[in-house]
Amino acid sequence: DVKVTQSSRYLVKRTGEKVFLECVQDMDHENMFWYRQDPGLGLRLIYFSYDVKMKEKGDIPEGYSVSREKKERFSLILESASTNQTSMYLCASSFAGGTNEQFFGPGTRLTVL
Amino acid sequence: SQKIEQNSEALNIQEGKTATLTCNYTNYSPAYLQWYRQDPGRGPVFLLLIRENEKEKRKERLKVTFDTTLKQSLFHITASQPADSATYLCAMDSNYQLIWGAGTKLIIKP
Repeated sequence: DVKVTQSSRYLVKRTGEKVFLECVQDMDHENMFWYRQDPGLGLRLIYFSYDVKMKEKGDIPEGYSVSREKKERFSLILESASTNQTSMYLCASSFAGGTNEQFFGPGTRLTVL
Repeated sequence: SQKIEQNSEALNIQEGKTATLTCNYTNYSPAYLQWYRQDPGRGPVFLLLIRENEKEKRKERLKVTFDTTLKQSLFHITASQPADSATYLCAMDSNYQLIWGAGTKLIIKP
């Protein structure tokens, strides 16, 4: 059974802290994505990666960075967390060259106080 | 800019009836549209994909249509059940990415 896992389901951090969210997939997918989801706004793409060490900015990259050192792992970093980064963060992966059917992790609900 | 819209109001349907959800897009001609289901507190799960040259696609009680003239996709659940209650998202392809609608919450009442 295919699987995307995320390091935490719930996370509470303080303003200014550095936050690491990790995502691991076991499907040998080339593409990996980080989204945030807020009520009424749908899924917004933060960053995506189509290969190891490659990254591309999505629609809302400000305040975030990413790292992809291994094919199966894609990390999202909040360099200095702010209250407006309180959100649900979802990681997804997909095969390259296909129809981009995306497999999602369970999500991390991050609260920044 | 490319945009995809779904009805933001919740849809209440009586059990056993057909539920129909709408997805409209503008400023783009996607090669395909995808539909996902999302339960509260969980990630979306892929349901169906329909290509631009397909009018209709079926999977068990699910049916999706794609009208490139109207720039619209319809998602139908026949013989709906309370277990079908969830938020349904549509998404269209754009280069490496998917552009997502905000989702429509479907409530099936017993």
